[in-house]
Amino acid sequence: GAVVSQHPSWVICKSGTSVKIECRSLDFQATTMFWYRQFPKQSLMLMATSNEGSKATYEQGVEKDKFLINHASLTLSTLTVTSAHPEDSSFYICSARPMVGVDTLKDTQYFGPGTRLTVL
Amino acid sequence: GESVGLHLPTLSVQEGDNSIINCAYSNSASDYFIWYKQESGKGPQFIIDIRSNMDKRQGQRVTVLLNKTVKHLSLQIAATQPGDSAVYFCAETGSNTGKLIFGQGTTLQVKP
Repeated sequence: GAVVSQHPSWVICKSGTSVKIECRSLDFQATTMFWYRQFPKQSLMLMATSNEGSKATYEQGVEKDKFLINHASLTLSTLTVTSAHPEDSSFYICSARPMVGVDTLKDTQYFGPGTRLTVL
Repeated sequence: GESVGLHLPTLSVQEGDNSIINCAYSNSASDYFIWYKQESGKGPQFIIDIRSNMDKRQGQRVTVLLNKTVKHLSLQIAATQPGDSAVYFCAETGSNTGKLIFGQGTTLQVKP
């Protein structure tokens, strides 16, 4: 149980285009999902907290107009990188926190497999 | 700012030996801690977690120890296997925030 998927797993786009990444919790409902980015050989950096039915909360330094987050249902959150530039190239990872504990403490976050974005 | 840190960036162990990965945290308000394993090109995989009202929790081949006095967290892996080779992150969160603060990560290399 507690499986999170992301689509696409990798994407290459031209500078100036927009890219949408989907994050789905497959076997549980999640009122809260989180978006992270990770550069090579570095740790995960939280970008924003996505709450179902409300606006996302962005971390300091993260442009909300550039990284659009929509959490339309209890199993789906999307991240859209608008007007992507080469410096946006990174590994984007989402996580989901179950509404009710699955098989461990209820605050656990389960992570998706990540999306590798390369902007040319 | 407050952060979670790791003492060693790389740990190399012989197959079959036990591994111990350490983590120091600075936020005394944190009450929930998690260890994640991340293989190259993949997302973090949950290993084990522990709340601040506990000092030890065991899973399959893994044990997490929490020492709140010195704000130290460790992950012990018994009989380390080649498949355990990965980067291991500790993460912490405070009550009701839900936000995870990740440590820098430790690379575990298992030698056959």
